[in-house]
Amino acid sequence: EPEVTQTPSHQVTQMGQEVILRCVPISNHLYFYWYRQILGQKVEFLVSFYNNEISEKSEIFDDQFSVERPDGSNFTLKIRSTKLEDSAMYFCASSEVSLYGYTFGSGTRLTVV
Amino acid sequence: DQQVKQNSPSLSVQEGRISILNCDYTNSMFDYFLWYKKYPAEGPTFLISISSIKDKNEDGRFTVFLNKSAKHLSLHIVPSQPGDSAVYFCAASPGGYQKVTFGTGTKLQVIP
Repeated sequence: EPEVTQTPSHQVTQMGQEVILRCVPISNHLYFYWYRQILGQKVEFLVSFYNNEISEKSEIFDDQFSVERPDGSNFTLKIRSTKLEDSAMYFCASSEVSLYGYTFGSGTRLTVV
Repeated sequence: DQQVKQNSPSLSVQEGRISILNCDYTNSMFDYFLWYKKYPAEGPTFLISISSIKDKNEDGRFTVFLNKSAKHLSLHIVPSQPGDSAVYFCAASPGGYQKVTFGTGTKLQVIP
């Protein structure tokens, strides 16, 4: 069964450092998303991406965040200067068109120290 | 602003019995409702969904009920199995490819 692949599974970084979280969406999917879940809290939407541009973003997704699809397969989330409160599980998801094809990756646990 | 609410953080049910997970929402623009199941250290897995034009959708042991006037939906699992133990997230969207808003989750424990 096709799956969304995220790397690394766990990333530890020092406060103020830049991190790049990587995702390989399902190959025929057109819509890409990043969500995050702070420990013990709900899964929160960060950003959606379609046709090489951001289609929607939340208030969490400020200037410190950026997304890119550098080639035909990868979809990355960059945090320029990490803060302690950025520590969370970050989930990538992709979909064809409908919500039924919305598939999540297994997540990257980001720990900012 | 919590647009999707799951008021029960946890639920314990005996194996073989019915599990009922509840969810309330406030945004009238929501048109699609979904339930996701999540195991620790894994991403949410799609379970079942319902669009606002229906009031019930069934898939095997899982049934979702939607009461649009009350802005309430529920997930019924019958019979419950130990493998169903996980965190269940209710989620909603205005439709299409628009963002999904998640509830806070309910941790279900099915006791053998």
